[in-house]
Amino acid sequence: DIQMTQSPSSLSASVGDRVTITCRASRTISNYLNWYQQKPGKAPKLLIYAASSLQGGVPSRFSGSGSGTDFTLTISSLQPEDFATYYCQQSYSTPYTFGQGTKLEIK
Amino acid sequence: QVQLVESGGGVVQPGRSLRLSCAASAFTFSSYAMHWVRQAPGKGLEWVAFISFDGSNKYYADSVKGRFTISRDNSKNTLYLQMNSLRAEDTAIYYCASGLSILDYWGQGTLVTVSS
Repeated sequence: DIQMTQSPSSLSASVGDRVTITCRASRTISNYLNWYQQKPGKAPKLLIYAASSLQGGVPSRFSGSGSGTDFTLTISSLQPEDFATYYCQQSYSTPYTFGQGTKLEIK
Repeated sequence: QVQLVESGGGVVQPGRSLRLSCAASAFTFSSYAMHWVRQAPGKGLEWVAFISFDGSNKYYADSVKGRFTISRDNSKNTLYLQMNSLRAEDTAIYYCASGLSILDYWGQGTLVTVSS
């Protein structure tokens, strides 16, 4: 199975900050990497697919990059509604494993 | 607007069975692969199972293989998860989600609690 490791596990930041979350795969997955946002008590929401493609309706302050084993999710200017938990997921092969999550909190 | 609505969760004793359903609407269900993903209380997401658009291909996480069965009825626009030999560690919110490997739409989830 492909293991996905996110860092950091938690992060405190302020509105307006630029934030980067990283995700590393245990072996190469090309660009088969997706990012999800989950708010408390809600279902996850797809933000970015294929490492860098923005899902429709997602604000352009979200961006993704990477290929192979190392990936990043960047939020260019944090907004109050962005404080949530973020998960990466590999879609290269089953089982479609998730990272452990990064909880983004208000500083 | 795409809608996925899970049902069938509840409290069940260890070793017993439960069947979850996911009713789909506002998209061509029969053309889409589907997944089950779960989330234990306070924990991260765990992918559970996949079924192809026509039901011909199914894949499972090792943690549920041999105990859980994913199926679908395209005439009823409904996805199922039959869960047998339930264990305490199966306690979680179970989400259904659509997409081949990218999970683009999710239901609101249904809570399964395995406890004596």
